[in-house]
Amino acid sequence: AQSVTQLDSQVPVFEEAPVELRCNYSSSVSVYLFWYVQYPNQGLQLLLKYLSGSTLVKGINGFEAEFNKSQTSFHLRKPSVHISDTAEYFCAVTSNTGFQKLVFGTGTRLLVSP
Amino acid sequence: DVKVTQSSRYLVKRTGEKVFLECVQDMDHENMFWYRQDPGLGLRLIYFSYDVKMKEKGDIPEGYSVSREKKERFSLILESASTNQTSMYLCASSLLRYRDHNQPQHFGDGTRLSIL
Repeated sequence: AQSVTQLDSQVPVFEEAPVELRCNYSSSVSVYLFWYVQYPNQGLQLLLKYLSGSTLVKGINGFEAEFNKSQTSFHLRKPSVHISDTAEYFCAVTSNTGFQKLVFGTGTRLLVSP
Repeated sequence: DVKVTQSSRYLVKRTGEKVFLECVQDMDHENMFWYRQDPGLGLRLIYFSYDVKMKEKGDIPEGYSVSREKKERFSLILESASTNQTSMYLCASSLLRYRDHNQPQHFGDGTRLSIL
């Protein structure tokens, strides 16, 4: 069975500052990892995904994430945030075994203030 | 672009009512999913389907059922609504790849359901 831990439920940050949202996963098999973003009153939108290959993955809106197999982590980063990045961010994991189910973390709310 | 449409953004129902939440996708995806989202709990899978008339229980199926009569449509049914089913419900779809599970899920905008 897989699980995802997002340790920070809320991350406050000032505009133009860098940010890192942490994600750790647990799995006994090879995984695929995703970050989704949810803006207020909307569904989830794919931000980026790690399937294989380069451990640094670039996504939309200037976000990137680094897959670290030894630390079982997939942290999301942005060097300079905007007010419009205020949203909830979800890390998710799946694997090639069983059905194509995603296991989600509990989410991190990013609050960007001026 | 994939479009996943949920029939209602907001819904208010009474306890004991039978409630139907509808979801339609336009990209011929085999997989469809129903989640509920609650603060501090993230997304929890209720049911999913990988083909017409096929369904599989997710992590929290109690009190819910589903119907998939057509490939593009996946309905979530609350047989007898209760107040603890007040939540945000999200529908998603994805391509089925038998040997490759890396297809992302595409989400609708959600239905905020209140049971009074």
